[in-house]
Amino acid sequence: DAGITQSPRYKITETGRQVTLMCHQTWSHSYMFWYRQDLGHGLRLIYYSAAADITDKGEVPDGYVVSRSKTENFPLTLESATRSQTSVYFCASSPPRGQDQPQHFGDGTRLSIL
Amino acid sequence: GEDVEQSLFLSVREGDSSVINCTYTDSSSTYLYWYKQEPGAGLQLLTYIFSNMDMKQDQRLTVLLNKKDKHLSLRIADTQTGDSAIYFCAESMAGGGNKLTFGTGTQLKVEL
Repeated sequence: DAGITQSPRYKITETGRQVTLMCHQTWSHSYMFWYRQDLGHGLRLIYYSAAADITDKGEVPDGYVVSRSKTENFPLTLESATRSQTSVYFCASSPPRGQDQPQHFGDGTRLSIL
Repeated sequence: GEDVEQSLFLSVREGDSSVINCTYTDSSSTYLYWYKQEPGAGLQLLTYIFSNMDMKQDQRLTVLLNKKDKHLSLRIADTQTGDSAIYFCAESMAGGGNKLTFGTGTQLKVEL
């Protein structure tokens, strides 16, 4: 089915471990985004990508790494997880500006770091 | 700077109208969006308005934009229990690379 999918939906891990969250979209959208959602903060942008091999920092990038070798995939890696990174993570995508299309979101990954 | 504010909670009775408000500070905003988030789900786009418009209607939803006051509102007519969710407003800016700035969300509770 077309759309944007995130995996896993739920993840529990320990501090210090590396964790990778996956995001895959079938629309061939140029832009992809990673957000985290925390109570009282709404959604905060972690990283975004305008195209394959182009990534840029958002509001809260520290402790995260991204890559975009293919247009359809945008994985987010926590290199050494900390408890403060316990959150719900959302991936989104959108076409290039000028096509009057907003961002479309995946269903999220709920990450708990013990 | 970029800052989008919303009230945290709103409670209405089924059948009444709901009005969710949002204020933003960046006058260069081009599009303003309303998203809905149901429990355990991602954000679903409800509607959006271009900054040169002052109103947009889509079935039970009415968006009003007061650009002078940087105020955006979402009115839901005949609110139903299925409308209970968190509603986020978001703004994009010219030259912002498709980035959005989100408000903290308003939790709407619809009571019988």
